[in-house]
Amino acid sequence: AQKVTQAQTEISVVEKEDVTLDCVYETRDTTYYLFWYKQPPSGELVFLIRRNSFDEQNEISGRYSWNFQKSTSSFNFTITASQVVDSAVYFCALISGGSQGNLIFGKGTKLSVKP
Amino acid sequence: GAVVSQHPSRVICKSGTSVKIECRSLDFQATTMFWYRQFPKQSLMLMATSNEGSKATYEQGVEKDKFLINHASLTLSTLTVTSAHPEDSSFYICSASPQSYNEQFFGPGTRLTVL
Repeated sequence: AQKVTQAQTEISVVEKEDVTLDCVYETRDTTYYLFWYKQPPSGELVFLIRRNSFDEQNEISGRYSWNFQKSTSSFNFTITASQVVDSAVYFCALISGGSQGNLIFGKGTKLSVKP
Repeated sequence: GAVVSQHPSRVICKSGTSVKIECRSLDFQATTMFWYRQFPKQSLMLMATSNEGSKATYEQGVEKDKFLINHASLTLSTLTVTSAHPEDSSFYICSASPQSYNEQFFGPGTRLTVL
């Protein structure tokens, strides 16, 4: 069975703080893809990153970075020097090789960045 | 590129009426389209997967006679909520996949309120 766990329901930080959002996944497939999406109050899902199971390289994009560790089945997301505009719900998601595109979402982490 | 639109963005209807939501891929052909539902403060749950020209595949617990899905062309899928009830009030989001199942582009969502 596939599953995505985001243990942090809500996180509140002050602007300029760094914050890490945790994501732990479960799958028996050797081929899978992991995603992070941002959902601001408007509701639209904003794609942030996709990672395949064969690429464990960490990625940095501006203030965003992702740490993929297969050994712990984790795909954590760090925002450096957070800003108020980062306030949103963040979802981690998984597609497994045999799922025909069924995106399994975690429950999401609501991030509030206060000025 | 890879833009997906949804129409309407917001709809309010009376209980017992039917509502049609359109999902269009604007600049690519979508082999597969997905429909998700998101209740307030919850995660996205896949309702059904539709491939152009064939019947949709519904997830367990989703009534296919209540949520009619049509994927008549490679750029358009529609979701019709028949005989809507207040418990159908939710945020409905579609996504479209061009070829590979591991790539999905999301529409902006439709907020349905049934009075």
